[in-house]
Amino acid sequence: GENVEQHPSTLSVQEGDSAVIKCTYSDSASNYFPWYKQELGKRPQLIIDIRSNVGEKKDQRIAVTLNKTAKHFSLHITETQPEDSAVYFCAAIGGNQFYFGTGTSLTVIP
Amino acid sequence: DAGITQSPRYKITETGRQVTLMCHQTWSHSYMFWYRQDLGHGLRLIYYSAAADITDKGEVSDGYVVSRSKTENFPLTLESATRSQTSVYFCASSRQGNSPLHFGNGTRLTVT
Repeated sequence: GENVEQHPSTLSVQEGDSAVIKCTYSDSASNYFPWYKQELGKRPQLIIDIRSNVGEKKDQRIAVTLNKTAKHFSLHITETQPEDSAVYFCAAIGGNQFYFGTGTSLTVIP
Repeated sequence: DAGITQSPRYKITETGRQVTLMCHQTWSHSYMFWYRQDLGHGLRLIYYSAAADITDKGEVSDGYVVSRSKTENFPLTLESATRSQTSVYFCASSRQGNSPLHFGNGTRLTVT
């Protein structure tokens, strides 16, 4: 099956700075890569996703990049705000199953 | 998203008891999933279903049973609960196999 690794496990940034979270995957057949945000005590919610035929996708302050050759994809958050503090999960699809990374706890310091 | 609901939100049970967690979705999504979330492990797949009467094991299926007689329901049963099954359980659904997952609010299960 697919193996997704996510780094770093924790990340602290000053408000207004950028945050980058990186994930690698193992199955070259994987073709869908979503990112989820989970606030404390709540359910994971999709914030952005990318498919293997696209190299980059942006949505306001959030962007995701995909390097199929290297099998890695990254989440970029610019101009971070305190409400961005949460746990972020990457995922990759292999054989109709979603494989999740172990999460990154992001803290934005006001 | 009110379209997928889990019950109960909290459950305390004793070791050895059978417990069933319920999941109901109103979108007519083909795929449904059960995950457990534990600190340091992220979200791990227990079982998934591609359609009614079709289920498949995930990476941590031992000790769990699922059924899907109707498209909208996907109950998860712990046949004989163990303390290691103390966790937060999330049900999720998606329209297709590679479509976004929509999660329920989760069930926090404690096995004493």
